[in-house]
Amino acid sequence: DAGVIQSPRHEVTEMGQEVTLRCKPISGHNSLFWYRQTMMRGLELLIYFNNNVPIDDSGMPEDRFSAKMPNASFSTLKIQPSEPRDSAVYFCASSHTTEEEPQHFGDGTRLSIL
Amino acid sequence: AQTVTQSQPEMSVQEAETVTLSCTYDTSESDYYLFWYKQPPSRQMILVIRQEAYKQQNATENRFSVNFQKAAKSFSLKISDSQLGDAAMYFCAYRSYSNYQLIWGAGTKLIIKP
Repeated sequence: DAGVIQSPRHEVTEMGQEVTLRCKPISGHNSLFWYRQTMMRGLELLIYFNNNVPIDDSGMPEDRFSAKMPNASFSTLKIQPSEPRDSAVYFCASSHTTEEEPQHFGDGTRLSIL
Repeated sequence: AQTVTQSQPEMSVQEAETVTLSCTYDTSESDYYLFWYKQPPSRQMILVIRQEAYKQQNATENRFSVNFQKAAKSFSLKISDSQLGDAAMYFCAYRSYSNYQLIWGAGTKLIIKP
């Protein structure tokens, strides 16, 4: 079975540019999570979707960040305009909305903003 | 608020030996899940093992087992017969029944000496 698929695997761009990260959750999973990982702050939950609806976006750093889930098989995390402090590894994870189901992670996108 | 603490930033073990990684957590809830995730240098987040708080029996997965002490709020991971491929960051995580958000520890870097 295919796992969570994220693209791109690496992204290097200049400050001020728009960045779009993509995620395809595991088929049948109805919960999707976006995380950011840095050395300083560890893993931070940015936003959580359930059945394509954003449930908790309290972790989104500021208005420059936005996330969408237009359907059950695709989500995007967009940063506009990007800043050097946004450099991090961004993970997408998915799970069933059941108590027992753990989150399954994608391979992450390493984002570098110059 | 729940918290997860991993007090060992780094651990090392000789190949084929046994190592135990510590995790403590704080919660007022009685029903929850605990997880250990592994993050090798390839940066994937891989679920190693999970424990349901209502189960008294400690979870095991091949060479990986946990020592779950609910009263002490302790959830340590034991890796037996350590292998070079076990070298990674190991994260302990907590999730309550009522909230799908994972609460993460800071991680322990495990080094395997050949």
